[in-house]
Amino acid sequence: AQSVAQPEDQVNVAEGNPLTVKCTYSVSGNPYLFWYVQYPNRGLQFLLKYITGDNLVKGSYGFEAEFNKSQTSFHLKKPSALVSDSALYFCAVRDYGGGYNKLIFGAGTRLAVHP
Amino acid sequence: DSGVTQTPKHLITATGQRVTLRCSPRSGDLSVYWYQQSLDQGLQFLIQYYNGEERAKGNILERFSAQQFPDLHSELNLSSLELGDSALYFCASSVLNNEQFFGPGTRLTVL
Repeated sequence: AQSVAQPEDQVNVAEGNPLTVKCTYSVSGNPYLFWYVQYPNRGLQFLLKYITGDNLVKGSYGFEAEFNKSQTSFHLKKPSALVSDSALYFCAVRDYGGGYNKLIFGAGTRLAVHP
Repeated sequence: DSGVTQTPKHLITATGQRVTLRCSPRSGDLSVYWYQQSLDQGLQFLIQYYNGEERAKGNILERFSAQQFPDLHSELNLSSLELGDSALYFCASSVLNNEQFFGPGTRLTVL
């Protein structure tokens, strides 16, 4: 079964510092991985995805993610954090086949960026 | 704005009641998905429809049902509501198997 794990409930970063939000995955077959962000009282916003190709994926709002097959990881990164990046971040893996397609989400990591 | 709309934004009801949540997908998206977000269960996939046909079921209770209409909008029906059904319900849509775009959600409170 496909699954993702986000080992940190919360990540605290000072504004201007680089940030990393961790995600590891377990899949059978090729992984299709996603990052979403949820701001308070809002829906989930798509940030980026990895399907195939370059291990470094660039996404919205200056975020990027590094796919590492040997470590089965897909960590979200940003070179310089902003206070406005404070939100709940979800890693997800696509479970698909036979005409169906669904996302399996991690538990989420709350990012707090301090001024 | 993802282009996915959901109504209502908030719903407060009593145990034992029945409610209907509505979702309109992005223009052109044939797939619609429903997810439930709760504090104890996190984000859970409920059900997927593609062009009117059910394609996948997740952890959806028998008290819950959904359908997708010819105009591609979808409704999630929740009946015999219990306190534990209180959650945020999201609808998402996609083109075939590409990334899913989520609506703002419906917050259901069961008293």
